[in-house]
Amino acid sequence: EIVLTQSPGTLSLSPGEGATLSCRASQIVSSTYLAWYHHKPGQAPRLLIYGASSRATGIPDRFSGGGSGTDFTLTISSLEPEDFGVYFCYQFGRSPQGSSFGGGTKVEMK
Amino acid sequence: QELLQESGPGLVKPSQTLSLTCTVSWGSVNSPFFYWTWIRQAAGERLEWIGRVDSSGNTNYNPSLRSRVSISVDTAKNQFSLNVNSVTAADTALYYCARGRWELQGHFYYYYLDVWGKGTMVTVSS
Repeated sequence: EIVLTQSPGTLSLSPGEGATLSCRASQIVSSTYLAWYHHKPGQAPRLLIYGASSRATGIPDRFSGGGSGTDFTLTISSLEPEDFGVYFCYQFGRSPQGSSFGGGTKVEMK
Repeated sequence: QELLQESGPGLVKPSQTLSLTCTVSWGSVNSPFFYWTWIRQAAGERLEWIGRVDSSGNTNYNPSLRSRVSISVDTAKNQFSLNVNSVTAADTALYYCARGRWELQGHFYYYYLDVWGKGTMVTVSS
């Protein structure tokens, strides 16, 4: 199983500030198999980035993704109030290892 | 209306079978461009990928759960389902269904989960 380690665990920020979130894989992950999501309690997780750097439909350009190999990042240029919550990364994996998720980064309001 | 909606018992007794259904309201489970996935999250834990099924019924499962899990599609009802056998308290979790999408861009295949349900809580207890 490919283990995804996200850091930091928690970010305390104010609206307008920027954020950089990290997702590190225990093995090389194809960039086209790496995605980022935003999740708020009681809601369905929302796709932000797929293919490591492609924004999903309707996602504002303050969100950007990058990286390759084992190190990937999600950058939020300027936080809006609706951006607080948990962000997690996901890698699509083929049999037999399968797919896996990062442990998440909580972005909370300072 | 939610695009994906999980349903099933919220309480299951130990050693019994947990059965959940995901109803797909937009798009067909028959589409070759999608695959259908179950995920769960126990309290305080990270998301755990359970497995997936494609439109042809081909499945892949988490190796740690493979002996107890099955996922299937029901094309007539446009649903897909999850069964987990011999459950214990460790199977208590919030269960999500999600739609996976694959696409070819140039020479590269992209795979990702584009739509999720809100999740349904399942507790294993006597």
